[in-house]
Amino acid sequence: EVQLVESGGGLVKPGESLTLSCAASGFTFRTSSMSWVRQTPGKGLEWVSAITSSSNYIYYADSLKGRFTISRDNAKNALYLHMNSLRAEDTALYHCAVGGDGIYWGQGTLVTVSS
Amino acid sequence: DIQMTQSPSSLSASVGDRVTITCRASQDIRNDLGWFQQKPGKPPKRLIYGATSLQSGVPPRFSGSASGTEFTLTISSLQPEDFATYFCLQHDIYPWTFGQGTKVEIK
Repeated sequence: EVQLVESGGGLVKPGESLTLSCAASGFTFRTSSMSWVRQTPGKGLEWVSAITSSSNYIYYADSLKGRFTISRDNAKNALYLHMNSLRAEDTALYHCAVGGDGIYWGQGTLVTVSS
Repeated sequence: DIQMTQSPSSLSASVGDRVTITCRASQDIRNDLGWFQQKPGKPPKRLIYGATSLQSGVPPRFSGSASGTEFTLTISSLQPEDFATYFCLQHDIYPWTFGQGTKVEIK
């Protein structure tokens, strides 16, 4: 059974940093592209970033303007998202998703940016 | 970015009804489209991949079709467990983009 468990979310102040993690199991992580997608009630779903299996190619949403960094550790079956200079508009539920087509998603970790 | 226009944003239907949801892409995405179902507090679950292929384990009352840049999800006979939000995802090129979602409610 595929399991994706996100963690690391929480309440932070504007300008602070946060690192999210996604622990993966039940599929061959080291050969899978991975993505982060965020979700809010108001704006819906927004793709954040993606990384290929060997980290050779990395993609980001233009709106992030270099504030976020995606990475992975294939030995640990883990995906990460390091977020800098957080803003109120980054408040969202952050999901990790498997594959170039989003076949499986995790339940998400909630990030709240508020003073 | 590719825009995905999904309609309707919500609908009310009865058990047994046939339901159709549409996504239109702003440009050619081949058939690189998935349909997902999401229930409150749960992660999205993929129903359809490649625009028309049924995900393993998904009931056959769900089907997808494609015509050019218009994609359709059909539920042939709505069941109580189908009341949820549905959305499309194009993954032809990054950034992935999503339809706005359709909330299917009980009539």
